[in-house]
Amino acid sequence: KAGVTQTPRYLIKTRGQQVTLSCSPISGHRSVSWYQQTPGQGLQFLFEYFSETQRNKGNFPGRFSGRQFSNSRSEMNVSTLELGDSALYLCASSLVPGSNEQFFGPGTRLTVL
Amino acid sequence: GESVGLHLPTLSVQEGDNSIINCAYSNSASDYFIWYKQESGKGPQFIIDIRSNMDKRQGQRVTVLLNKTVKHLSLQIAATQPGDSAVYFCAEKSGAQKLVFGQGTRLTINP
Repeated sequence: KAGVTQTPRYLIKTRGQQVTLSCSPISGHRSVSWYQQTPGQGLQFLFEYFSETQRNKGNFPGRFSGRQFSNSRSEMNVSTLELGDSALYLCASSLVPGSNEQFFGPGTRLTVL
Repeated sequence: GESVGLHLPTLSVQEGDNSIINCAYSNSASDYFIWYKQESGKGPQFIIDIRSNMDKRQGQRVTVLLNKTVKHLSLQIAATQPGDSAVYFCAEKSGAQKLVFGQGTRLTINP
């Protein structure tokens, strides 16, 4: 069974631009969560989607948004990029929402210049 | 408040020795405590979890101990192997809410 895939793997943007990251969960998994990982803040929860609905949201500004499609694939968008948005963005899927065992993708490394 | 912290940022052990990675937490209302492992260039990988009403749980070469009195969690890895080199995160969860991760401990295995 294929794992969680994330595209693109690497991305370079400039301040003020916007970016869209994509995540394909493991087949059959309907819950998708997004995390931001930085050396200073560690792994921080962004949001969780299940059945195309956002179930949980972390403490990030409204510039960070996401959505989930009927096939469980998910996208997250960051608008008006700031230097501090440079991070590894990780997507994780699970069979059910709120699962302890989440399956993470390799992440998208976003660099904001 | 909710915060999960780690006692040591780095840990070096000899191959074949046992490793103990520690974690402190502050949220007494957490239902589960979970350990994840992140190898270089990869996303975190689930290792083991423990429910808050337990004090010990064993997996394959790993044991998690939970001491609710002092709000302390540990992960013991038996007979550490080179493949165990990674950053280990503890996380906590209340109900069906989000996972709250600690900062991580880097485990280095010396040959």
